Amino acid sequence: AQKVTQAQTEISVVEKEDVTLDCVYETRDTTYYLFWYKQPPSGELVFLIRRNSFDEQNEISGRYSWNFQKSTSSFNFTITASQVVDSAVYFCALRTGGFKTIFGAGTRLFVKA
Amino acid sequence: DTGVSQDPRHKITKRGQNVTFRCDPISEHNRLYWYRQTLGQGPEFLTYFQNEAQLEKSRLLSDRFSAERPKGSFSTLEIQRTEQGDSAMYLCASSPLGTSGANVLTFGAGSRLTVL
Repeated sequence: AQKVTQAQTEISVVEKEDVTLDCVYETRDTTYYLFWYKQPPSGELVFLIRRNSFDEQNEISGRYSWNFQKSTSSFNFTITASQVVDSAVYFCALRTGGFKTIFGAGTRLFVKA
Repeated sequence: DTGVSQDPRHKITKRGQNVTFRCDPISEHNRLYWYRQTLGQGPEFLTYFQNEAQLEKSRLLSDRFSAERPKGSFSTLEIQRTEQGDSAMYLCASSPLGTSGANVLTFGAGSRLTVL
């Protein structure tokens, strides 16, 4: 069975702090994709990043970075120097064979000025 | 293109009534998905269309739920005899058919259903 676990329900930080959102996934498939989506207060989910199971290279995009470790089945997301606009719910997701993307329960991030 | 459009954005109905939601995907996207999101949870997969063919349905989609995509463009999701447990945000997403972007979902803003 496939599963995505985001153990942190809510995180609160002060602006300019770094914050890491954890994601642990479960699958027996060897080929899969991992994603992060952001859901701001307006409600529309926005795609942030996709990694495939054969590419464990970490990625950095501006203040965002992602750490993919197959050995621990984790795909963690770090925001450096957080800003108030980063306040949102962040979802980690997994897609294996078929057409279904499985989402975690999400981590709500509050960034206070 | 203006992205994925959903209508209505909010629907309040009484238990037992039927409701229908519409989704207009990005025009070049062959794949269309419906998800349901309840408070504090991530989106849950309901069904998937490739063009006009409904290729996958979740067990969450009871007999009271039906989805169509008659011409491979817009889609409708109908809920018959609504129950209070149907109250949720219904999300539509689309993606292109090619392998490069096929797994990346572009979501609409959602249709929020409240069943009284």
